[in-house]
Amino acid sequence: ETGVTQSPTHLIKTRGQQVTLRCSSQSGHNTVSWYQQALGQGPQFIFQYYREEENGRGNFPPRFSGLQFPNYSSELNVNALELDDSALYLCASSSSPGLGSYEQYFGPGTRLTVT
Amino acid sequence: QKEVEQNSGPLSVPEGAIASLNCTYSDRGSQSFFWYRQYSGKSPELIMFIYSNGDKEDGRFTAQLNKASQYVSLLIRDSQPSDSATYLCAVRSGSGYALNFGKGTSLLVTP
Repeated sequence: ETGVTQSPTHLIKTRGQQVTLRCSSQSGHNTVSWYQQALGQGPQFIFQYYREEENGRGNFPPRFSGLQFPNYSSELNVNALELDDSALYLCASSSSPGLGSYEQYFGPGTRLTVT
Repeated sequence: QKEVEQNSGPLSVPEGAIASLNCTYSDRGSQSFFWYRQYSGKSPELIMFIYSNGDKEDGRFTAQLNKASQYVSLLIRDSQPSDSATYLCAVRSGSGYALNFGKGTSLLVTP
């Protein structure tokens, strides 16, 4: 167990709807990264949050957005859901970027199904 | 496009043998390298990381890094059926904090 928690575990949404996924980072970690993992693929980087600001973004459209809170927990929001958004969404926590420790530890993930 | 390549497998090894998993990457500026194990239906679990050229050993696992040839490998000694999983190679470039993953190699350890 990494100490990273995510909710909900599973979610079923309809195309066009909006969804919010939540993540609590491991104790002592202040950086949260979000990844999308489609079936049979490796995780794809969505974005990273550090000190409540976006600290890097992958090749995802603006309808993917996020927040980080003062307690370092984070939310991933996806608007106008598309069928291709069906995937496992992973949150990873790590210590401050730039301190030389870049290990990221994943939570259990949220399985999103868009119908 | 910064790419991380892995053979998708499946790689099948008998119990007790050494499993060798390989990964190549395209970005010469890459600084940090990670191996994750992912069981079916579960999230990735960090099992090894390596930052310098050479070998790094942790129990039955050895990570090997060759930056000149742009490859990183994972050796699993005395393979057990419980090692059967998908192994993901991840690379962090020098310019950011995102991890760039390969598609993973499926390992099957047969009793």
